[in-house]
Amino acid sequence: AQKITQTQPGMFVQEKEAVTLDCTYDTSDPSYGLFWYKQPSSGEMIFLIYQGSYDQQNATEGRYSLNFQKARKSANLVISASQLGDSAMYFCAMREGGWGGSNYKLTFGKGTLLTVNP
Amino acid sequence: DGGITQSPKYLFRKEGQNVTLSCEQNLNHDAMYWYRQDPGQGLRLIYYSQIVNDFQKGDIAEGYSVSREKKESFPLTVTSAQKNPTAFYLCASSTNPGQGAMELFFGEGSRLTVL
Repeated sequence: AQKITQTQPGMFVQEKEAVTLDCTYDTSDPSYGLFWYKQPSSGEMIFLIYQGSYDQQNATEGRYSLNFQKARKSANLVISASQLGDSAMYFCAMREGGWGGSNYKLTFGKGTLLTVNP
Repeated sequence: DGGITQSPKYLFRKEGQNVTLSCEQNLNHDAMYWYRQDPGQGLRLIYYSQIVNDFQKGDIAEGYSVSREKKESFPLTVTSAQKNPTAFYLCASSTNPGQGAMELFFGEGSRLTVL
């Protein structure tokens, strides 16, 4: 079974508008961490934001926020005020074991290609 | 600047040849990783190393080999046994467990094409 599911292969958004990229996950481990990465056309993976399973509040980093709904096993990325430079692939990932755990493996979804239109 | 350097950026190989991809980091991270990315796919873990002189197979290790003789370096060899080696390869590093979220820091990748 897929551990990380990103159901939107592609998304379009107008510049300056907000956009939500969906991510659902599957784990029976009560402790886990969720990550979002951005991959521009250059290929490098850029870390955006992290949410721990025990974190009480949704994570935020600048224009990025993570809408964490634990009961629904959902960890959607919200980008506010989209910019042209936000056009990229976005990957959701999970590490079971969470903060301080001994699991080194990060499992990635297949990604969502975001295009920001001027 | 601290970061991860991968080389070469592009590499062409004839079938039956082994090739080695270089990965160097100056972030003082103990853990290093190799991922493979195919078009339209997420990243899949090939090998990882928790510490010098130790490494573990990931989900798709067949046809690949690694070494970890120095903390800074984690080269990946794509052997002739790898059935479909054409792909984009990403090297990453992280802190160890107990030191935080362990987010991965990535290099810019190496694109391997088998002719």
